[in-house]
Formats: sequence, C-alpha cells, structure tokens
Amino acid sequence: AQTVTQSQPEMSVQEAETVTLSCTYDTSESNYYLFWYKQPPSRQMILVIRQEAYKQQNATENRFSVNFQKAAKSFSLKISDSQLGDTAMYFCAFTTSRAGSYQLTFGKGTKLSVIP
Amino acid sequence: EPEVTQTPSHQVTQMGQEVILRCVPISNHLYFYWYRQILGQKVEFLVSFYNNEISEKSEIFDDQFSVERPDGSNFTLKIRSTKLEDSAMYFCASSGRKGLYEQYFGPGTRLTVT
Repeated sequence: AQTVTQSQPEMSVQEAETVTLSCTYDTSESNYYLFWYKQPPSRQMILVIRQEAYKQQNATENRFSVNFQKAAKSFSLKISDSQLGDTAMYFCAFTTSRAGSYQLTFGKGTKLSVIP
Repeated sequence: EPEVTQTPSHQVTQMGQEVILRCVPISNHLYFYWYRQILGQKVEFLVSFYNNEISEKSEIFDDQFSVERPDGSNFTLKIRSTKLEDSAMYFCASSGRKGLYEQYFGPGTRLTVT
C-alpha cells in the first residue's frame, strides 16, 4: 500500500522569505507521480506542482519548486519569496499508473502561515 | 479556463435522509473521482469512475454510496441513508487525455448531517 507522510503539521515563514515543506512516501511501484496541492481557507484544492518519477529534473512553477529524491522517496516543496496569499494547507499527494485508477493518496497536510 | 463545478456548496440534512451531490467535470475528461475530507483531516479517496463504471473504490465507499453519470455531463454521488459521520467536505475531481494522472478538483460540497 502507498503511504504519504508529512511530518510538519504547521510551519510559518516571514513574507518574502523561503520555506521548505517536507514529504516522504512509500511505494513499491516504479512509475508514479507526485503532487503538491494547496488548500486555502476556502477549502478549494488547487494543484501547485507535479513531478513524474521517471524525470530526474526537479519541477518548477514560478516561485514553487520541488526537490525530488527518488532513492530516498522524498518530495519537498520550496516556496520562494513567500506571499500572504500562500497561507494555506499544503498536501503532498501520490498516484501510480497501475491499471484501474489514478486515485490520489494524500498526506495529512502542513498548515503554512505567511507572516507579514 | 475549464473547471470542475459542484452543487450545492453546502448541504444540511438529517440523519437517515438521502442526499445527492452533483458535479460537472471538465468536458472531454475521462476519469472522474469523489474524495472526502472530514474537518481537520486529510483528503481520502472514495471512488473512481471510468467508461461508465466504477474502476476502483475504497473501504469507505460501502453500500450506502453510489455514483452515476446520468447524462454525459453530470457526475453524482448519492448517500442513501446519511449518518453523522458522513459530515465532511466532498470533492469531485476529473482528469483527461493529456494527463490522466493530473486531477482537477471542484470547489467541494460541505455536507452537514444533523
């Protein structure tokens, strides 16, 4: 069974600073996909960034980047130049390409507060 | 930009009543999902739907739950006899040809069972 672990229940960062959120996962699959979703107070789930396991290059989306360490099964999210609008719950998620479904397995989330 | 929509945004019902949560996935998407998030907890997978049938379901998705795609655009989740513990946020998601693994979520329906 796949599991996703986020070991930081809460974090805070000063506006304009950089913060890194941790995520580890466990799977026996060789081909899979990893995601970070943002959930602001409105509770909408917003896709922030994705990473295909077969790609060695770390994904980047504007101020958001990941550090994907496949051997260590680690997938951390770095937010640069933090903004007040980044305040949200952040969920790490995992899926595989096995037949039948692409269901997501989520971690418990990290609550990020950006302090002005 | 296309988006997943869900109605209603908030549903209050009494224990034992039936509820239907509605979703309109992104047009031309192929996979459809329902997830549940109890307040303060992580998002949990309920069911996936592909080619007009359930492709996978979790242990949570028992006989009280059913899904349907009645008209080619809507995707519904029915709970036959609601329980207090069904109170949660229910998210619909869909994924398409360009990225079967990349799911786009609707804004959610908050279900409150009293």
